[in-house]
Amino acid sequence: KAGVTQTPRYLIKTRGQQVTLSCSPISGHRSVSWYQQTPGQGLQFLFEYFSETQRNKGNFPGRFSGRQFSNSRSEMNVSTLELGDSALYLCASSLGPASSYEQYFGPGTRLTVT
Amino acid sequence: GIQVEQSPPDLILQEGANSTLRCNFSDSVNNLQWFHQNPWGQLINLFYIPSGTKQNGRLSATTVATERYSLLYISSSQTTDSGVYFCAVASSNTGNQFYFGTGTSLTVIP
Repeated sequence: KAGVTQTPRYLIKTRGQQVTLSCSPISGHRSVSWYQQTPGQGLQFLFEYFSETQRNKGNFPGRFSGRQFSNSRSEMNVSTLELGDSALYLCASSLGPASSYEQYFGPGTRLTVT
Repeated sequence: GIQVEQSPPDLILQEGANSTLRCNFSDSVNNLQWFHQNPWGQLINLFYIPSGTKQNGRLSATTVATERYSLLYISSSQTTDSGVYFCAVASSNTGNQFYFGTGTSLTVIP
């Protein structure tokens, strides 16, 4: 069974631009969660989507948004990029709600904002 | 939210040595996972262990949910065990979102 895939793997953007990252979960998994990892803040939860509905949201500004499609694939969007948004963005999938099921992570998208 | 503390923050071992990593958390949890992050950033699942004890080869883990801690044991360490080990928890008391600890950075030297 294929694992969680994320595209693109690397991305360089300029301040003020917007970016869309994509995550394809393991087949059959209905929950997708997104995380941001930075050296200063560590791993922080962004949001979780389950059956196309946002189930949970972390403490991030409204510039960070996401959605989930009927095939469980998910995208996250960051608008008006800031230098501080440079990070490794990880997505994870689980069979059901992440709080009750084992999560499996993708390889991440490394975003650099210049 | 839940406070997740991992200790020690850094650990250097000789190949073949054993180690114990600890994860303390501040609230009752319904999900706890241990991960190993490799140098390329990939988080590898080690254990899904909200309670009890599990073993997988040279690795084992124990979670004592009533006392709010989990332990990860690595025996006969190998250089490939190097990397950062994270504990992550979720609780219905705090909105079911996941909280990660700050990790234990393990270096195994030959």
